[in-house]
Amino acid sequence: AQSVAQPEDQVNVAEGNPLTVKCTYSVSGNPYLFWYVQYPNRGLQFLLKYITGDNLVKGSYGFEAEFNKSQTSFHLKKPSALVSDSALYFCAVRDGEGYSSASKIIFGSGTRLSIRP
Amino acid sequence: EAGVAQSPRYKIIEKRQSVAFWCNPISGHATLYWYQQILGQGPKLLIQFQNNGVVDDSQLPKDRFSAERLKGVDSTLKIQPAKLEDSAVYLCASSPRRGLSGEQYFGPGTRLTVT
Repeated sequence: AQSVAQPEDQVNVAEGNPLTVKCTYSVSGNPYLFWYVQYPNRGLQFLLKYITGDNLVKGSYGFEAEFNKSQTSFHLKKPSALVSDSALYFCAVRDGEGYSSASKIIFGSGTRLSIRP
Repeated sequence: EAGVAQSPRYKIIEKRQSVAFWCNPISGHATLYWYQQILGQGPKLLIQFQNNGVVDDSQLPKDRFSAERLKGVDSTLKIQPAKLEDSAVYLCASSPRRGLSGEQYFGPGTRLTVT
């Protein structure tokens, strides 16, 4: 069974500094990995995904994520944080082997990112 | 392009009452999902439709929850009777792709409070 972990409930970063939001996963096959962001009183928004190919994936709002197969990680990064990046971030994983109920998408518990001016 | 629409946005009911949520996905999106998001947790998939057929409802508490997607467009999720632990945000999402690699587009959610 697949699983995903976000080890930090909250990450605090000063504006202009680089940020990292951590995510590790476990799947039986090849992983499909996603990052979503949730702003207050709004639905989740897709940021980026890794399916195959280059390990560094670029997404919306200047975010990128690095797929590391040996460490089973997919950390979200941004070189320079903005106050407007403050939100709740969710990592999600899907087992890419087959198309069945066993390959449902699983979301992590979320990491609250707080960017101070 | 209009996003995923959900209604109502907020609902307060007493335990043992019934409630229904409505979702209108993005036009042309074949796949529709209902998620339950309890405060402090990530979304948990309740049911997934492909057109008007159910693909996965393994995590749907079928003794009290039901969902349908007539004509492969709009969908309703019903809880009958509600329990206190059903208090959560219910998210609807849609995806244009049939396969596993498609990103999902989420609606704003319905916040349910059961008292």
